[in-house]
Amino acid sequence: NAGVTQTPKFQVLKTGQSMTLQCAQDMNHEYMSWYRQDPGMGLRLIHYSVGAGITDQGEVPNGYNVSRSTTEDFPLRLLSAAPSQTSVYFCASSYTLGAFSRKRNTDTQYFGPGTRLTVL
Amino acid sequence: DAKTTQPTSMDCAEGRAANLPCNHSTISGNEYVYWYRQIHSQGPQYIIHGLKNNETNEMASLIITEDRKSSTLILPHATLRDTAVYYCIVRVAEDSNYQLIWGAGTKLIIKP
Repeated sequence: NAGVTQTPKFQVLKTGQSMTLQCAQDMNHEYMSWYRQDPGMGLRLIHYSVGAGITDQGEVPNGYNVSRSTTEDFPLRLLSAAPSQTSVYFCASSYTLGAFSRKRNTDTQYFGPGTRLTVL
Repeated sequence: DAKTTQPTSMDCAEGRAANLPCNHSTISGNEYVYWYRQIHSQGPQYIIHGLKNNETNEMASLIITEDRKSSTLILPHATLRDTAVYYCIVRVAEDSNYQLIWGAGTKLIIKP
């Protein structure tokens, strides 16, 4: 399994440009999410999905859109990039959401390698 | 979800046990304690989680106090590759709308 993959690894945008960050997982996980991480800070949840066709907002959703047409893919769209969106973006997935289990691979989140985005 | 408090940074000698504390004094009865770590420029990696009892796996041990207001992550024999930021997170396990609340974590530096 490739796990969680993200593309691109690096991206530079000009203010006002739009782009899509790609995220894919091959573990048949139901739950996927997008986080952003600013320097010296923890991760903040942007959007998440509990399954194909279902998405919801996280802590910092403004300026971002998501869709979940398949179980495997969860792209994040920046509609009109702003310098405040300069950050490292991580995609994560897990088998289930919130289900109690002592097993590490059910609600444990697996993270992709990240996309480093700079908006000028 | 309850918030957590961790020291900003810690040092540990290579080969020694690294003990990372976490305070979660407002934790609720149905909230689990999770530990993740993030090695520089990589995505976070799950380490361990627990509710009441101490837990151990191939990576680490988790010691939770009886009143559950604090916990300690133990890396028994730290190596240079354990240098990372360690995040302590509490969350409800059976909440269908849960969100992980990430703090700034503890930057652990393993010294040779």
